Amino acid sequence: TQLLEQSPQFLSIQEGENLTVYCNSSSVFSSLQWYRQEPGEGPVLLVTVVTGGEVKKLKRLTFQFGDARKDSSLHITAAQPGDTGLYLCRSRGSTLGRLYFGRGTQLTVWP
Amino acid sequence: NAGVTQTPKFQVLKTGQSMTLQCAQDMNHEYMSWYRQDPGMGLRLIHYSVGAGITDQGEVPNGYNVSRSTTEDFPLRLLSAAPSQTSVYFCASSRGGSGANVLTFGAGSRLTVL
Repeated sequence: TQLLEQSPQFLSIQEGENLTVYCNSSSVFSSLQWYRQEPGEGPVLLVTVVTGGEVKKLKRLTFQFGDARKDSSLHITAAQPGDTGLYLCRSRGSTLGRLYFGRGTQLTVWP
Repeated sequence: NAGVTQTPKFQVLKTGQSMTLQCAQDMNHEYMSWYRQDPGMGLRLIHYSVGAGITDQGEVPNGYNVSRSTTEDFPLRLLSAAPSQTSVYFCASSRGGSGANVLTFGAGSRLTVL
């Protein structure tokens, strides 16, 4: 059973377009993180959200944590080829240390 | 800063062989973990450790052993490799095991089992 469901699994868009990817669960998150992974490298943290309804912005990236803390979204404005990568959400299971990732959204931005 | 160092970067094994993937961190992190990454499956937790001498199983522990004798090192052992263990393996560490701690990843180890 996947704790975290991410959608879409693949997204291919042209430079300049906007996009939103989602991370959902039937469980309440104490906190949630988004990572980006580029080919041949390990994932790198983008943001941590901890409060229901929280919105964080990182340049062209906007992260939202749902009011009920069961879902999160990542919105990218005016996507660029440098945004290409695998976007992963991560949260914690019921046991300290059990940190789960979703399956990720593979984003490709074409010039 | 070295961060998290994984070795080897690439390895080819035959079915039934054993090997150890090494992971070392120099950030004095209490929490360390191993993930495997397969196409379309994201990162799946194999084993983790919340401190020296303490280890626990993740989502996919079968076929893998770990130990944590020091804070710095967290090796992953494959006792009898199987083709299903062909994957990219990532070691990661953080200050603690909560969901709000930042995970720092190694560069990955690509393992092929023939």
